[in-house]
Amino acid sequence: EIVLTQSPATLSLSPGERATLSCRASRTVASTFLAWYQQKPGLAPRLLIYDVFSRATGIPDRFSGSGSGTDFTLIISRLEPEDSAVYYCQQYSSSPITFGRGTRLEIK
Amino acid sequence: QVQLQESGPGLVKPSGTLSLTCAVSGASFSSSNWWSWVRQSPGKGLEWIGEIYHNGNTNYNPSLESRVSISIDKSKRQFSLKVTSLTAADTAVYYCARVFTAGSLDHWGQGILVTVSS
Repeated sequence: EIVLTQSPATLSLSPGERATLSCRASRTVASTFLAWYQQKPGLAPRLLIYDVFSRATGIPDRFSGSGSGTDFTLIISRLEPEDSAVYYCQQYSSSPITFGRGTRLEIK
Repeated sequence: QVQLQESGPGLVKPSGTLSLTCAVSGASFSSSNWWSWVRQSPGKGLEWIGEIYHNGNTNYNPSLESRVSISIDKSKRQFSLKVTSLTAADTAVYYCARVFTAGSLDHWGQGILVTVSS
């Protein structure tokens, strides 16, 4: 299976700053089959980005995804307090579908 | 607005069978959609369990395939999960979700905590 390694494990930034979250795959993710999710305590994950680049419905353009092959990035520009959450990447290029262990983003 | 809602027991015994149901509203249940189960535990993080197509075709995580089955009842607008031979390692929050594009999950249920304990 494809193992996804997310870094950093924890990120602490101030409002207005830019967050860069990394997701590295143990082997090539075919096509653009990678997504990003945001999860807040007690809630289900929320789809942010699908197919590497595309924002899900209702997601502000402060969230952007990029990458290919084995290296993918989620950028959150102009951080807001409500961006405090855990962010997960997911690959659906090959079975089984797998998720990274998450990056915890804290807004100071 | 698509909504999914899991239901089932919150406590099950070791070696027993877990049965969960996901009720779907606000979406066409007979269209070309896959529907998925995912679980989340502190030890293993988010783990994809499997998925079912509206025609009943299924895909399972090989690590769970021998113990898992997913079924669908279009007349009731719901799909279900069964996990057999339970151990404490199956303790998790179980989510149902709708598959979007080729495998991303765009709508999720609120999740149900299932504890395996005697």
